[in-house]
Amino acid sequence: RKEVEQDPGPFNVPEGATVAFNCTYSNSASQSFFWYRQDCRKEPKLLMSVYSSGNEDGRFTAQLNRASQYISLLIRDSKLSDSATYLCVVNNDRGSTLGRLYFGRGTQLTVWP
Amino acid sequence: ETGVTQTPRHLVMGMTNKKSLKCEQHLGHNAMYWYKQSAKKPLELMFVYNFKEQTENNSVPSRFSPECPNSSHLFLHLHTLQPEDSALYLCASSQNQGTTDTQYFGPGTRLTVL
Repeated sequence: RKEVEQDPGPFNVPEGATVAFNCTYSNSASQSFFWYRQDCRKEPKLLMSVYSSGNEDGRFTAQLNRASQYISLLIRDSKLSDSATYLCVVNNDRGSTLGRLYFGRGTQLTVWP
Repeated sequence: ETGVTQTPRHLVMGMTNKKSLKCEQHLGHNAMYWYKQSAKKPLELMFVYNFKEQTENNSVPSRFSPECPNSSHLFLHLHTLQPEDSALYLCASSQNQGTTDTQYFGPGTRLTVL
């Protein structure tokens, strides 16, 4: 079983739409959770961390359900500039002091005018 | 942003060549990482260095040889690669703050093996 699984996508939505991405992780000992964004032919960049209580950053809302081992990202009022691949990332704590990240395959989003 | 730089950005090499990828981080971080990103596959961790010491080798073939002379520089030496090694190779660094550690990525080297 893969450590992190995401919606396969791609998602194609008009400007202004609301879109949601889902992700599940297999290791219940995972400690921290992130969404990264990767533009075409560029490196991944941290979009936001995901906290147990849920958190919001402008148009972006992230939710974590530890019981179901499920993470979501909601984007409201989509902009053309939101077009990218969104990576669900989980830190699998194995007792190491280092961040050991596991990445999902990513979900591609295209926002059209 | 120039926090993590990588050179070269693009590399084409034959299977008998030897080349090296370079990564430099200007963030004062203690940990550095090499990842491989192939088409349609998730990022795969290759190597981890913490305070210049290798702490993880994720079953990477010996034709990939990392080197970390100090906490700011990381190299990946390549020799006798195979066409299936063609991928985007990403370097990352982090402060080493445990499970909340955030990794910052370089722009990557896009490698093509002929």
